[in-house]
Amino acid sequence: ETGVTQTPRHLVMGMTNKKSLKCEQHLGHNAMYWYKQSAKKPLELMFVYSLEERVENNSVPSRFSPECPNSSHLFLHLHTLQPEDSALYLCASSQEAWELTDTQYFGPGTRLTVL
Amino acid sequence: RKEVEQDPGPFNVPEGATVAFNCTYSNSASQSFFWYRQDCRKEPKLLMSVYSSGNEDGRFTAQLNRASQYISLLIRDSKLSDSATYLCVVKHKIIFGSGTRLSIRP
Repeated sequence: ETGVTQTPRHLVMGMTNKKSLKCEQHLGHNAMYWYKQSAKKPLELMFVYSLEERVENNSVPSRFSPECPNSSHLFLHLHTLQPEDSALYLCASSQEAWELTDTQYFGPGTRLTVL
Repeated sequence: RKEVEQDPGPFNVPEGATVAFNCTYSNSASQSFFWYRQDCRKEPKLLMSVYSSGNEDGRFTAQLNRASQYISLLIRDSKLSDSATYLCVVKHKIIFGSGTRLSIRP
């Protein structure tokens, strides 16, 4: 148990649907992250939040909209996705956002399929 | 050139063998380095940090070569349970390599 939970674990949605992914960390960390992992590609950092403030947005399309209401919760709101957005979406947390020695702890991920 | 590069494998080695793989990085200002392990359909988990002087944790040895800008992971006496994908992480920005798949055969 890593202390980072994600729901749902699996999600199938159509291109016109709106859905949200949820992440919760129980580690008292200040930084939270969204990553996308597609088959045979490196993990791609999407968003970084530090104390509920977005500190990085890596050129992610606007159909992905993150929300961090507090330092323990992170959401990824999805709308009008494309089939190429199908991937494993991983949430992670660390003590601080850019403390280079901090370890990131990952949630189990949400496997998203866009039809 | 990619910021972080790994041989994707798969490395297919017999149980008990020693296996090593490298990860090269392009940004000389990179300061922190890690190896993560990812089992099939699971999230990445920290295996070990990589320190400048090199470090060992049981059968695993990690080394850093700043001059040539690579980190390495050596696994001795490999077990079936070591079969996984090994991801290197280089922090300047946080950048993951694409992973090296290791398969240990009995």
